[in-house]
Amino acid sequence: DAGVIQSPRHEVTEMGQEVTLRCKPISGHDYLFWYRQTMMRGLELLIYFNNNVPIDDSGMPEDRFSAKMPNASFSTLKIQPSEPRDSAVYFCASSWTGPGNTIYFGEGSWLTVV
Amino acid sequence: AQRVTQPEKLLSVFKGAPVELKCNYSYSGSPELFWYVQYSRQRLQLLLRHISRESIKGFTADLNKGETSFHLKKPFAQEEDSAMYYCALSGISGGFKTIFGAGTRLFVKA
Repeated sequence: DAGVIQSPRHEVTEMGQEVTLRCKPISGHDYLFWYRQTMMRGLELLIYFNNNVPIDDSGMPEDRFSAKMPNASFSTLKIQPSEPRDSAVYFCASSWTGPGNTIYFGEGSWLTVV
Repeated sequence: AQRVTQPEKLLSVFKGAPVELKCNYSYSGSPELFWYVQYSRQRLQLLLRHISRESIKGFTADLNKGETSFHLKKPFAQEEDSAMYYCALSGISGGFKTIFGAGTRLFVKA
């Protein structure tokens, strides 16, 4: 398995534009997480899904952010409209049911909003 | 509210010196704690988990429920240990929600 696959790896966009980040979890995993990494705040959990259903989106910063998981092999995180303070590395990660199980991370999507 | 605190953003030690990366958590339930590591140009990956009580790459971590801590220790640091280390808390509310601390960057000097 190629692991969790994220695209794009790097994105530079202008303020106000829509940004869509994509994720393919590891096959067979039933949990999918979106995290945001910044120097100031570290790794923040934005939202997570179980069996394609959003379970907890309390970490989503504001209404400009939305996430979907239409099927077990694909998820998107959308920012509309984007702002400079959204600049960060966005990680997608997946795991499977069970205590003490490992979360597997993608390589991250580096977003810069200018 | 659940929280993971890593008080040090940067920790710099000499090769061969002992290292301790601090992690404190706030959670009223039964915690599941982990350490993840991110080496340069690599993915964030699991280092160790408290339920396994294992030693990985010479690192150990003991869960201290009284002090609500899960500090990561290694008696003799190596240059290849230089990386970003994240403490994580899982099993929140009986589910699989996993939150991370802000991370500590460890720099091991030659």
